[in-house]
Amino acid sequence: ETGVTQSPTHLIKTRGQQVTLRCSSQSGHNTVSWYQQALGQGPQFIFQYYREEENGRGNFPPRFSGLQFPNYSSELNVNALELDDSALYLCASSLEALGAQSTQYFGPGTRLLVL
Amino acid sequence: AQKVTQAQTEISVVEKEDVTLDCVYETRDTTYYLFWYKQPPSGELVFLIRRNSFDEQNEISGRYSWNFQKSTSSFNFTITASQVVDSAVYFCALVQGAQKLVFGQGTRLTINP
Repeated sequence: ETGVTQSPTHLIKTRGQQVTLRCSSQSGHNTVSWYQQALGQGPQFIFQYYREEENGRGNFPPRFSGLQFPNYSSELNVNALELDDSALYLCASSLEALGAQSTQYFGPGTRLLVL
Repeated sequence: AQKVTQAQTEISVVEKEDVTLDCVYETRDTTYYLFWYKQPPSGELVFLIRRNSFDEQNEISGRYSWNFQKSTSSFNFTITASQVVDSAVYFCALVQGAQKLVFGQGTRLTINP
């Protein structure tokens, strides 16, 4: 086990609604990254938070937003849900101080279904 | 732009066979890191190995081994004497600069008893 936890495990929403996903990072890690994994695809980078600031963003629209808290836990918020947002959302924590060589450790993910 | 290609979408072998998963990457930088992750049906990505671009030594960990060749931009993964528990989707990934991981499409490995 990585020590990275995510909640909820599963979620069903309808189109147009808003959703908040949560992630607790591994002890000692100050960086959280979020990924979206559509069925049958590799994970796609959404954004990363380091010391409560966004530290890089992938090709996702502004309705995908996030937060990182002083304890380094994080939230992913998605507004105006679309059917294509149905996916597994993965959170990963790492120690930014090590830079690019720092390994990202993943949580179990949240499976979101948008109807 | 960075890119990772895993050309094998699915592989199916019988238990105890050796199997190699291919990974080819593209990057313009000279410093980068390569990773392999395992994703069992539960969904969690399990870290297997990290390799930096300056270390081309092959690595062995039990039944797992990795072959990194910069000349062909490849980072292949071999499982020796495969077991049913090895069944999963395996992802190769590349990171450079910021910690954004770029994943391949994954290879679904099925080990049949």
